[in-house]
Amino acid sequence: QSALTQPASVSGSPGQSITISCTGTSSDVGGYNYVSWYQQHPGKAPKLMIYDVSNRPSGVSNRFSGSKSGNTASLTISGLQAEDEADYYCSSYTSSSGVVFGGGTKLTVL
Amino acid sequence: QVQLQESGPGLVKPSETLSLTCTVSGGSVSSGSYYWSWIRQPPGKGLEWIGYIYYSGSTNYNPSLKSRVTISVDTSKNQFSLKLSSVTAADTAVYYCAGLRYFDWLIDYWGQGTLVTVSS
Repeated sequence: QSALTQPASVSGSPGQSITISCTGTSSDVGGYNYVSWYQQHPGKAPKLMIYDVSNRPSGVSNRFSGSKSGNTASLTISGLQAEDEADYYCSSYTSSSGVVFGGGTKLTVL
Repeated sequence: QVQLQESGPGLVKPSETLSLTCTVSGGSVSSGSYYWSWIRQPPGKGLEWIGYIYYSGSTNYNPSLKSRVTISVDTSKNQFSLKLSSVTAADTAVYYCAGLRYFDWLIDYWGQGTLVTVSS
C-alpha cells in the first residue's frame, strides 16, 4: 500500500492562494470520490477540512476548497491567514485495503 | 458529541506487544455508521493507517502491518482495542484512535493521541 504523493512543503503570503496536490492511482484517488483533507497543527490531532473531494464540514471556512482531476486531488486555500500554517494530509478510499494517506504537506505562511 | 480517548502503556520493550484501548463516549461503538480505526504517526512523520473494525467484528488491516496487528471491539464497554506484536523502535509513534464514517470514508472523530515509545 503506497502512500499518496504530496509536495513536502508549500508556502504563501497572507491573502494569497495556495494549492496542495495529492496524487494517487486509479485504485484510490482516481477511482472513487472519497478523498478527504485534514489539517494538523503541532501536537494536535488532525481535523477534517474537506470530504468527498470537495465538500466542507460545517464550521470549516469557505476559504478551503477541494477538487479532483484524474488521479490527482487538490486542496486550495484562498486568502491565506497565519492560522492556516499547519500540516495538511490527504486521504482516499483504496480498493486494496481501505484507507491510504498522503505523506503530508507543510504549509508555511510567510 | 462523540469523544474518543486512548489509554495504555507509554513505554513498550522491543519484541513485546503494544496494547492500547480506545474508550468511546457520547456515542456507541455499535453504531452502524462507523469503522473504528487506529492510525499512527511516528515523530516528525506522516499519518499511517493501521486498520479498522466494524461493530460486528469484521476487520481490515494495512497490508504492511497485517501480520502483527489485531483490532478487537468490546460493545459492552463501548471500547475497541489495538494489539501490535513484535514491536521495534520503528513502531514508536503517536497512536490515534478514530471514527471512520464508512459510507464516505472520512474520519470525523479523533482521539487526542497517545505517544508509545519502544525502548529497552
